[in-house]
Amino acid sequence: EAEVAQSPRYKITEKSQAVAFWCDPISGHATLYWYRQILGQGPELLVQFQDESVVDDSQLPKDRFSAERLKGVDSTLKIQPAELGDSAMYLCASSQDLGEKLFFGSGTQLSVL
Amino acid sequence: GESVGLHLPTLSVQEGDNSIINCAYSNSASDYFIWYKQESGKGPQFIIDIRSNMDKRQGQRVTVLLNKTVKHLSLQIAATQPGDSAVYFCAENRGSGYSTLTFGKGTMLLVSP
Repeated sequence: EAEVAQSPRYKITEKSQAVAFWCDPISGHATLYWYRQILGQGPELLVQFQDESVVDDSQLPKDRFSAERLKGVDSTLKIQPAELGDSAMYLCASSQDLGEKLFFGSGTQLSVL
Repeated sequence: GESVGLHLPTLSVQEGDNSIINCAYSNSASDYFIWYKQESGKGPQFIIDIRSNMDKRQGQRVTVLLNKTVKHLSLQIAATQPGDSAVYFCAENRGSGYSTLTFGKGTMLLVSP
């Protein structure tokens, strides 16, 4: 069964350092999402791509977060500099198209010390 | 019984019982709803979805009921098994134009053997 791939699985970093997460969606899925999930809460959308274009980044803290999906396939989410409050699970998801069900990866658990 | 925990509402059931997990949504314009199951340390897993032109949909051991009048969604799990223990989230498509899924607060289901 096709899955959304994410790496790394875990990341520990010190505050003010840069971190990057990678996501490879299910083949053929046009829509890709990055969500952040704090322990005990539901995932919150950071950014949404349709092919290589950003369609919603209204909740992305653009002073320190950036995301790209250059060829409309895999995607990278970067944080620079990381802050203590960024500690969370970062989830990538994909769907065949807008409005379709999302399939999630296993996430990257980020700890900022 | 059902109780409100420090972080998540929790539903505790015995193996073999039927479980009902409830969700209230906020936007009357939402037209697509999904239930996800999330086990510890993993990404959310799709369970079942329903569109607003339906009020009931059945899957394998699961049924979703939608009451648009009171903006309420429920997930029924028949013959609950220990493997069903997880956090369950409902998500709604708020029809923002880009079909962004918004997640509600989760409910933890604990199944005792």
